Amino acid sequence: QKEVEQDPGPLSVPEGAIVSLNCTYSNSAFQYFMWYRQYSRKGPELLMYTYSSGNKEDGRFTAQVDKSSKYISLFIRDSQPSDSATYLCAMSLYNTDKLIFGTGTRLQVFP
Amino acid sequence: DVKVTQSSRYLVKRTGEKVFLECVQDMDHENMFWYRQDPGLGLRLIYFSYDVKMKEKGDIPEGYSVSREKKERFSLILESASTNQTSMYLCASLRGLVPTDTQYFGPGTRLTVL
Repeated sequence: QKEVEQDPGPLSVPEGAIVSLNCTYSNSAFQYFMWYRQYSRKGPELLMYTYSSGNKEDGRFTAQVDKSSKYISLFIRDSQPSDSATYLCAMSLYNTDKLIFGTGTRLQVFP
Repeated sequence: DVKVTQSSRYLVKRTGEKVFLECVQDMDHENMFWYRQDPGLGLRLIYFSYDVKMKEKGDIPEGYSVSREKKERFSLILESASTNQTSMYLCASLRGLVPTDTQYFGPGTRLTVL
């Protein structure tokens, strides 16, 4: 079993839809949870991160962590065609320099 | 703005060739990483370095070596390229520890081994 599981998609939604992207993990010691966005032919860029459980909001993006279920989510409100990209979840232990990545979910938002 | 650059965007090599992938960062970061990204497998860590001349194996180091002679430059070496090393290679750098600091990625090198 992989440490981090992520549905590869693709996920295709109309503009304006609410998008839910998810990852599950097996290592209960993970403390930090990150979401990266990767546009085609580019490297990943950090969207947002959360520590331990709870929610974090940044504009149209909300990251949610449920440590009891070992489940994290990224919600995108009012999705735009410019949100079309691959979204990777990543996790790490406390104060480390190594990340464990999910496989990425490809999202397409059509006008 | 942190910039991580990689020497080539696309590279085509033959089986058995020695291949060098170069990565340069301009923000004086201590930590640098090499990943490969494959469909269905995501990003997998090959090697990382936390200081000049220091290196640590990642999850899939077999068939690869690295060199870090200067702080800003981290090279990935395929000693004898094989077709199963066809992949997207991503370099990243990080000043300290996640998530206080951000891991910045380069644009990637798509390597094809024939």
